[in-house]
Amino acid sequence: DTAVSQTPKYLVTQMGNDKSIKCEQNLGHDTMYWYKQDSKKFLKIMFSYNNKELIINETVPNRFSPKSPDKAHLNLHINSLELGDSAVYFCASRPHISGANVLTFGAGSRLTVL
Amino acid sequence: KQEVTQIPAALSVPEGENLVLNCSFTDSAIYNLQWFRQDPGKGLTSLLLIQSSQREQTSGRLNASLDKSSGRSTLYIAASQPGDSATYLCAVGDSNYQLIWGAGTKLIIKP
Repeated sequence: DTAVSQTPKYLVTQMGNDKSIKCEQNLGHDTMYWYKQDSKKFLKIMFSYNNKELIINETVPNRFSPKSPDKAHLNLHINSLELGDSAVYFCASRPHISGANVLTFGAGSRLTVL
Repeated sequence: KQEVTQIPAALSVPEGENLVLNCSFTDSAIYNLQWFRQDPGKGLTSLLLIQSSQREQTSGRLNASLDKSSGRSTLYIAASQPGDSATYLCAVGDSNYQLIWGAGTKLIIKP
């Protein structure tokens, strides 16, 4: 069973469209994250939710809106897609235990905006 | 502002060699440091986690060291195998559980 699963794995779309990437974890973790990996392979944190509550919101355009319907899911919705949004987006989770900083990552979702 | 650098960006070695990957960070006030492996299409796998109070961690053929005062960590891979080919990422963690990442070292082990 996949611990952290993201869908879709690949997404090709036109500029200006709205799209969503879904993430689900079956580990019982309390905290979930979205990271963006750019063309230079740098991973940058975008959002973090703890038990459905937003706790980290880095400087990300407000076209990006995370939604956490329950603590096992953290979806990423992107409005009015731009060329610069092309990247691999990683979802991750970790248990809410003091000192536990080991993240479990999904396989990534490669978004290509044309 | 913390910055993480990994050198070299790419490395190709024959199978069986021992090798060292380097990671440096600019702010020594870290919570911990992790080494990850990234395989295409398979996401990221955490390899080793070193807490700020520790000097090294070992898992199988992997050994990671941490020298906070000099802002350095190394990942030592013994007796490399073709299956070790991947991109290796170093990430520094702060007390807010945020990770600051290096750009990675792409490792190719030639059979």
